[in-house]
Amino acid sequence: EIVLTQSPGTLSLSPGERATLSCTASQSVSSNYLAWYQQKPGQAPRLLIYDASRRATGIPDRFSGSGSGTDFTLTVSRLEPEDFAMYYCQQYGSSHTFGQGTKVEIK
Amino acid sequence: QVQLVQSGAEVKKPGASVKISCTTSGYIFTNYYLHWVRQAPGQGLEWMGIINPTDGSTRHAQKFQDRFTMTRDTSTRTVYMELSSLRSEDTAVYYCARGTPYYHSHFDYWGQGTLVTVSS
Repeated sequence: EIVLTQSPGTLSLSPGERATLSCTASQSVSSNYLAWYQQKPGQAPRLLIYDASRRATGIPDRFSGSGSGTDFTLTVSRLEPEDFAMYYCQQYGSSHTFGQGTKVEIK
Repeated sequence: QVQLVQSGAEVKKPGASVKISCTTSGYIFTNYYLHWVRQAPGQGLEWMGIINPTDGSTRHAQKFQDRFTMTRDTSTRTVYMELSSLRSEDTAVYYCARGTPYYHSHFDYWGQGTLVTVSS
């Protein structure tokens, strides 16, 4: 099973700042099948990025994904108030597994 | 628009079984795999399994072997999951999520979640 490790566990930033979230896989993710989700309390996850760098429908362009192999990054270029939430990465190249999450909180 | 609507919250005793439904609309039911994902209180997301709505074939995560079943009813565009031999660690919100036409899937639409509480 591919284990995904997200860092940092918590990111404390102010609105307007840039957020950089990391997801490291225990082995190479086939075809860069890596997705990112945002989740707010009491809500289902929302797909942001798939195939490592493709934005899902309706996702603002301040969200971008990059990376390949074992190292992947989600960047939020300028944080809006609604972006403070939990973020999870997911690999689907070998079965399906999730990272443990990164919380982006208001500083 | 695509919608996945799940059945309501359940409270079960240890050792019992729970069955949750996920009724879909807004797309061709047999064109997309459906997945089940759960989230224990305050914890992360855990993939449980996948069902092919076309033929009903399934695959599940190893840890749920023997006590996790997925089925579908094409006439009502509904998929079901059943988890047996419940224990307190199974207390979680259970989500259905739409994948792609392929096994290797990200999840673009999610149900609202069903809270299952296991308590004596």
